[in-house]
Amino acid sequence: ETGVTQSPTHLIKTRGQQVTLRCSSQSGHNTVSWYQQALGQGPQFIFQYYREEENGRGNFPPRFSGLQFPNYSSELNVNALELDDSALYLCASSSDRPYGYTFGSGTRLTVV
Amino acid sequence: QQPVQSPQAVILREGEDAVINCSSSKALYSVHWYRQKHGEAPVFLMILLKGGEQKGHDKISASFNEKKQQSSLYLTASQLSYSGTYFCGTQRGGGADGLTFGKGTHLIIQP
Repeated sequence: ETGVTQSPTHLIKTRGQQVTLRCSSQSGHNTVSWYQQALGQGPQFIFQYYREEENGRGNFPPRFSGLQFPNYSSELNVNALELDDSALYLCASSSDRPYGYTFGSGTRLTVV
Repeated sequence: QQPVQSPQAVILREGEDAVINCSSSKALYSVHWYRQKHGEAPVFLMILLKGGEQKGHDKISASFNEKKQQSSLYLTASQLSYSGTYFCGTQRGGGADGLTFGKGTHLIIQP
């Protein structure tokens, strides 16, 4: 098993810019979810993709969007960055429910 | 709705036991437990399903009381490696619901 890998590990962006974060799912996993974790808080669900279709979304605005590719890798795109978007972004993959999620180590995004 | 975890923090000596609780005001389909060490990814510990049995492996086990919508994580004879922040994550449906995490319980194990 290769686990879940995310890139980049750290990123600094300016308010108003756009950012793309990438995730490679664990081999054999067809579901990928993205979470935002602010300092000292639990992760918050952004959205989930199953076989390239978004099939679940948390309370995040449309400027948060994503893609899942045929090889089950995924991207998170955030437009019009705001200072409050500064956080750790975690990608998690799983196979068909009900199983636990395998998380990546995250991308630390800082918006200045 | 975010589940409520208690306690917020606990300090133990190596070998002592700990219980971490997770409560929801809504009916749940599943409860997940994860441990996160500083600067690292959350690591899956176990999942408890509505109507399922108590889970456990080694010295970590958990239960899910469906009547109270409460789950408890039991750490027996704690080891230094158990230190970290424990999160419960809940799902109300079995479909495309993501996990709703609590604020976490900080566990410190001292030698």
